[in-house]
Amino acid sequence: AQSVTQPDIHITVSEGASLELRCNYSYGATPYLFWYVQSPGQGLQLLLKYFSGDTLVQGIKGFEAEFKRSQSSFNLRKPSVHWSDAAEYFCAVVLNSGYSTLTFGKGTMLLVSP
Amino acid sequence: GAGVSQSPRYKVAKRGQDVALRCDPISGHVSLFWYQQALGQGPEFLTYFQNEAQLDKSGLPSDRFFAERPEGSVSTLKIQRTQQEDSAVYLCASSFNRDTYEQYFGPGTRLTVT
Repeated sequence: AQSVTQPDIHITVSEGASLELRCNYSYGATPYLFWYVQSPGQGLQLLLKYFSGDTLVQGIKGFEAEFKRSQSSFNLRKPSVHWSDAAEYFCAVVLNSGYSTLTFGKGTMLLVSP
Repeated sequence: GAGVSQSPRYKVAKRGQDVALRCDPISGHVSLFWYQQALGQGPEFLTYFQNEAQLDKSGLPSDRFFAERPEGSVSTLKIQRTQQEDSAVYLCASSFNRDTYEQYFGPGTRLTVT
C-alpha cells in the first residue's frame, strides 16, 4: 500500500544540537515531497519541498532535507536547534498526477530541552 | 486576505447536532482542499474543489459529510447528525491551481462532539 512513514513519534533534542527527522515513502514512482511544521493551535506551515533536481533542498528557518531515491527517504535536518523549533513536523507527498492531494505521515513531535 | 481563514476556530456540538465549518481561501486560489486531523494523527484528505466543482470527495467518511463551494471562493463543510468520532481538527487549504502543488493551510476548526 502507498504510505508515508515517520518512524519517530517523539524526539527530544538539546538546544543547539543537530536534528534529523526521518521520513520514508512507499510509492511506485517518486512523488513530490514536502515537510510541514505545525505549532500548537496553528495551521500547517510549509518548510520545504522537493520536486526534482538537486536532492538537497533548503527551506525556511534554517531547515534542509535530502532526497535519497535508493532509500525512498526524505529526511529533514537542522544543524542547530532553537527552542522555538519545538513543534510537530509532518512529512507529506503528492503523487505527480491527479489533484495534488497531500498524503501525510503521522508526524514527529519535537521537544527541545534547555 | 493575507492567508486562509477558517471559522469558527472552536466548535462544541452535542451528538446529533448539525455543524457548518467555513473556509475563506486566499483570493484567486482555484484549488481548495479539506482535511481532517484526528488527535495524534496527520491530516487526512476529505475533499477537493477546483473553482466551484467538487472533483474529488473520496475522503469523506460518510454521507453525513457534505461540502460545497458555490461561487468558487468560500467553502463550507457541513456535518449532519454529528457523532463522537467526528471530533477532530478540520483543516482547509488552498493553492493557486492544481499544478502548483503548494498548499496554504488555515488554522483549522477544532470540533468536539460531546
